[in-house]
Amino acid sequence: SQQGEEDPQALSIQEGENATMNCSYKTSINNLQWYRQNSGRGLVHLILIRSNEREKHSGRLRVTLDTSKKSSSLLITASRAADTASYFCATVLPQGAQKLVFGQGTRLTINP
Amino acid sequence: DGGITQSPKYLFRKEGQNVTLSCEQNLNHDAMYWYRQDPGQGLRLIYYSQIVNDFQKGDIAEGYSVSREKKESFPLTVTSAQKNPTAFYLCASSILNGEQYFGPGTRLTVT
Repeated sequence: SQQGEEDPQALSIQEGENATMNCSYKTSINNLQWYRQNSGRGLVHLILIRSNEREKHSGRLRVTLDTSKKSSSLLITASRAADTASYFCATVLPQGAQKLVFGQGTRLTINP
Repeated sequence: DGGITQSPKYLFRKEGQNVTLSCEQNLNHDAMYWYRQDPGQGLRLIYYSQIVNDFQKGDIAEGYSVSREKKESFPLTVTSAQKNPTAFYLCASSILNGEQYFGPGTRLTVT
């Protein structure tokens, strides 16, 4: 079962611009996490935001969470070529096992 | 160095053979996970384990088996019953309710 859906599926911008990716989910969550994956590699954790939080920052990354709309956004400011990757949101449900449910990802390309 | 390792990076097998993928972590994490990723897709959970000697099926467990005899190790066996085994397999570990740390992945090709 797929909980999160990222939007857009692909995004191409110029270096220096900001990139915004969105994630929608279907059921209540304990937390939502964003990951980055470079081609053919494992995933790297970026940010975890809990259901009682609305916004978190980490360097050039800003994540928001709107539990009433069941949506989250990831903003990357001042993008760099090295930000080119696929970005996934994943949710952890409030009860039961601590397993992540991933969306299909947004493929971000930063053009130099 | 602390981290999570998977071996081998590439694996080739003939159809009908079982194959075991290795996953080891020295992060002292209780929970470990196996995911499958197909081209252009997200990750799907195969099996997960929250404690030694215990594991649960994920969303696509059919054709796979696991064991968790040690906290550090969570090997995945892809059996001949798995109809489409060619994929990228990712292992991860975490503390409970925390972010997951992923290994570099094993790309399995079955012909």
